[in-house]
Amino acid sequence: GIQVEQSPPDLILQEGANSTLRCNFSDSVNNLQWFHQNPWGQLINLFYIPSGTKQNGRLSATTVATERYSLLYISSSQTTDSGVYFCAVEHSNYQLIWGAGTKLIIKP
Amino acid sequence: EAQVTQNPRYLITVTGKKLTVTCSQNMNHEYMSWYRQDPGLGLRQIYYSMNVEVTDKGDVPEGYKVSRKEKRNFPLILESPSPNQTSLYFCASSLSPWDRVRGANVLTFGAGSRLTVL
Repeated sequence: GIQVEQSPPDLILQEGANSTLRCNFSDSVNNLQWFHQNPWGQLINLFYIPSGTKQNGRLSATTVATERYSLLYISSSQTTDSGVYFCAVEHSNYQLIWGAGTKLIIKP
Repeated sequence: EAQVTQNPRYLITVTGKKLTVTCSQNMNHEYMSWYRQDPGLGLRQIYYSMNVEVTDKGDVPEGYKVSRKEKRNFPLILESPSPNQTSLYFCASSLSPWDRVRGANVLTFGAGSRLTVL
């Protein structure tokens, strides 16, 4: 089956710093979503981005489908950005395969 | 408010005692799914449902059952829980997983149910 790898597994930054999270996938995908899980466990969809670039405030995402990767950019990090960031891809049959996540800690 | 509601949020039980985790959504979504989250493994799909009376196995269905008798409800049943089912469980739903163009396949998650089996 399709493999989804996220890097780095852990990232610790100072408030105000910028960060780039990466998601590599081993086969073509129909669907790619980025999620944020806050420290209380709530999962929120950030982007639906099977290809191209999208921006939402301080967050933006780019997926290069032909090269099988997606990047999530966080600019001017805030402590509320802390948590785990997941990417999930759909290869076929409409089901999502999840990466193991990147744990981000933003220090004040 | 549009949401996915799971109950209970926390449960400690003993091996073999049947339990049900309920999931309800108020968005008229066709698609519903159950995931479990374990440290270092991300989310793994247990079962999903494309519509009423249509359910199918995900990646880790062993030890679980589901039913979809109504569009809004998708309960997860553990007939005989075992300690390896101790996990954080999430229910999620989307309007239609095949509608990629309009993004109607974006998932909305419940708050999670933390289950401990002793």
